[in-house]
Amino acid sequence: AQKITQTQPGMFVQEKEAVTLDCTYDTSDPSYGLFWYKQPSSGEMIFLIYQGSYDQQNATEGRYSLNFQKARKSANLVISASQLGDSAMYFCAMREGTGNQFYFGTGTSLTVIP
Amino acid sequence: DVKVTQSSRYLVKRTGEKVFLECVQDMDHENMFWYRQDPGLGLRLIYFSYDVKMKEKGDIPEGYSVSREKKERFSLILESASTNQTSMYLCASHSTGVVTEAFFGQGTRLTVV
Repeated sequence: AQKITQTQPGMFVQEKEAVTLDCTYDTSDPSYGLFWYKQPSSGEMIFLIYQGSYDQQNATEGRYSLNFQKARKSANLVISASQLGDSAMYFCAMREGTGNQFYFGTGTSLTVIP
Repeated sequence: DVKVTQSSRYLVKRTGEKVFLECVQDMDHENMFWYRQDPGLGLRLIYFSYDVKMKEKGDIPEGYSVSREKKERFSLILESASTNQTSMYLCASHSTGVVTEAFFGQGTRLTVV
């Protein structure tokens, strides 16, 4: 079974609008971390936001927030007030507390339309 | 400023050549990884290492080997490059214990002709 599933290969959003990128995960480890990365066309992976499995509050970092629904095993990324520079690939990832490995989804390509 | 550095941004190699991709991190991380990224397939783990001289196969190790002689350096080796190894290669590192983010290098875009 896939550890991380991203079902949206491509998304479009109008500039200044909000957009939600979906991510579901699968683990039986009670301790885990969920991460979102942005990859612009230049190729580097930029860390955006982190949510721990025991965190009570949804994580926020500037215009990024993580909609964490533990019972549904989902960790959707919400980008508010989209900017042209947000156009990139976005990857959801998970690391289980008992392991050293990161598991990545297949990514969502976001295009912001002016 | 933490850093993971990959030796080359772009590489073009011929079929059958032995190819070395080098990765160095300056964060004293125990864990280092090599991923391959292809469109529609996301990041696939080739090999990882959790200590010097230790290595573990990932999901797609065939055709690759690795070397970790020093803690800061993790090398990916293509023993005999083939055209189906044309891809983007990403190196990453992170620390053991506390669940923190992985840090990535800038990527190496390898073309095998």
